[in-house]
Amino acid sequence: AQSVTQLGSHVSVSEGALVLLRCNYSSSVPPYLFWYVQYPNQGLQLLLKYTSAATLVKGINGFEAEFKKSETSFHLTKPSAHMSDAAEYFCAVSESDSWGKLQFGAGTQVVVTP
Amino acid sequence: EAQVTQNPRYLITVTGKKLTVTCSQNMNHEYMSWYRQDPGLGLRQIYYSMNVEVTDKGDVPEGYKVSRKEKRNFPLILESPSPNQTSLYFCASGTTSPGVGEQFFGPGTRLTVL
Repeated sequence: AQSVTQLGSHVSVSEGALVLLRCNYSSSVPPYLFWYVQYPNQGLQLLLKYTSAATLVKGINGFEAEFKKSETSFHLTKPSAHMSDAAEYFCAVSESDSWGKLQFGAGTQVVVTP
Repeated sequence: EAQVTQNPRYLITVTGKKLTVTCSQNMNHEYMSWYRQDPGLGLRQIYYSMNVEVTDKGDVPEGYKVSRKEKRNFPLILESPSPNQTSLYFCASGTTSPGVGEQFFGPGTRLTVL
């Protein structure tokens, strides 16, 4: 069975600084990996996904993530934080042989300070 | 407009009183899923459906029922709600090739069981 761990429930970054959100997963088969963002009082929106193509995945709003099989990680980065990036971010995993079953991490709340 | 709709958006009920939360999508998606979101736990999958008449359990199916009689609808039924089912519920739909693609989330239903 798959599982997801997000390191850090809260992250504070300065506007213009690097955003780094950590996600580690466990999976017994090749995984599909996702990052979603949730703005206050809204549903989730897909930022990017990895489905066994390129290991460096580019998403919306300047975010990208790198799949590292040896480290079982899928960390999310953005070079320069913007105030509008303040939100909660969720990493999720599904397994390629039972991909309908999706498991989310506990989430990381990002605060952006001026 | 492509969307996932949920009704009701807010519901306060009492223990044991059967309720149904409806979910409908207009994007002709094969895949639909229900999640509950609780603080510190992220989203946990309740049930999912790969297509009409095909449903399967997620991580927390106890106390819930679903049905998928039509492609566009995926209602969530709580036959005898209990206070531990107080939560924020999200329905999502998505494409299925390859694997689970982007999921589109509804606005959420905030349920309180007294």
